[in-house]
Amino acid sequence: DQQVKQNSPSLSVQEGRISILNCDYTNSMFDYFLWYKKYPAEGPTFLISISSIKDKNEDGRFTVFLNKSAKHLSLHIVPSQPGDSAVYFCAASVVDDYKLSFGAGTTVTVRA
Amino acid sequence: SQTIHQWPATLVQPVGSPLSLECTVEGTSNPNLYWYRQAAGRGLQLLFYSVGIGQISSEVPQNLSASRPQDRQFILSSKKLLLSDSGFYLCAWSVMAGRNYGYTFGSGTRLTVV
Repeated sequence: DQQVKQNSPSLSVQEGRISILNCDYTNSMFDYFLWYKKYPAEGPTFLISISSIKDKNEDGRFTVFLNKSAKHLSLHIVPSQPGDSAVYFCAASVVDDYKLSFGAGTTVTVRA
Repeated sequence: SQTIHQWPATLVQPVGSPLSLECTVEGTSNPNLYWYRQAAGRGLQLLFYSVGIGQISSEVPQNLSASRPQDRQFILSSKKLLLSDSGFYLCAWSVMAGRNYGYTFGSGTRLTVV
């Protein structure tokens, strides 16, 4: 049972514009959320995270928003750059559980 | 600093052959270790995790097994590979450091079973 869902398998955006990636979850016990970025033939790298006590976390061009009532989070990338072209995974964990549940990923392509 | 090594980077194996993928972590003690698989067109699926030497938990029934003979060594094995075992295998580690449960991943192994 997929507890973390990324319903958009791909996203194409023009360089300089905003990329918005969405993620939904079903487990109300999740209290920590992360985004990972993955290039082909490489392992995912940590991008940004948010605790359930917050609704927004910002790091440079990357902002993650959390809507607990909707069980929804999103990642905003502004402005999008060619180097942002990658697969982005949403992940979540339950308090005191070190296991992460991952979504299926969204492939972002930034067009010049 | 902590590093994670995973090898080989690519592997082509015939159906029915054995498999051994190795992962080692440096710069940390008693890490939690994980094996994930990314099948073609799918997300990251947790296969095994370990919280200590000799302690292995399996998340899904499959043709694979895992072992942790040393604190910072994690091995993924199979006695007889199936075509469905093809995929991109990732090792990762984490520590329970405050509220950050983030993983650090290795560079992955692309396994093709033919």
